[in-house]
Amino acid sequence: NAGVMQNPRHLVRRRGQEARLRCSPMKGHSHVYWYRQLPEEGLKFMVYLQKENIIDESGMPKERFSAEFPKEGPSILRIQQVVRGDSAAYFCASSLGLAGETQYFGPGTRLLVL
Amino acid sequence: GQQLNQSPQSMFIQEGEDVSMNCTSSSIFNTWLWYKQDPGEGPVLLIALYKAGELTSNGRLTAQFGITRKDSFLNISASIPSDVGIYFCAGRVLSTNAGKSTFGDGTTLTVKP
Repeated sequence: NAGVMQNPRHLVRRRGQEARLRCSPMKGHSHVYWYRQLPEEGLKFMVYLQKENIIDESGMPKERFSAEFPKEGPSILRIQQVVRGDSAAYFCASSLGLAGETQYFGPGTRLLVL
Repeated sequence: GQQLNQSPQSMFIQEGEDVSMNCTSSSIFNTWLWYKQDPGEGPVLLIALYKAGELTSNGRLTAQFGITRKDSFLNISASIPSDVGIYFCAGRVLSTNAGKSTFGDGTTLTVKP
């Protein structure tokens, strides 16, 4: 019974390049959440998606960041023209989408921008 | 936006000692969650609290949902070396869909054998 899977686990990009982070939710889960964690800080909510639908993107930076969760395949968090300040751990969580239900986290992708 | 204040920021204790950490918020949450994060890994849920005043245990861990719904604490009894890690509190507001979680900045626990 696989948990939430994220890849790559580590990603190095140069300033100006694009970063694509993938998240495969737990089997049967149709709701995905993306969080960002800076060193020595807690996780900060970015975006909440259902299949083919963005439910809440109140934590997403207005520029360069986008997320999708297509009908088939993993959820993708895309960062265009990365800057050094984008270096962080990005975590994905998934749930069935029921009110009050537990979210299960993946192992994260550590992005380093040189 | 909603903010959580988690304290203490770090703790250094001897194996066998009890540990207590807490979170306070300026706004009300309907759910309080406590997670543990090991280096290089994602957070793992330890305890979930759904009702004001609720006291819940999970082995040596005990957590309480404050009566005002603006605070929660986590206790670890008889600590062992594998308790080392970062502990996060998180709060959620109930909605028709399972909503986002707001996290504290964590308590880093070090246990000396």
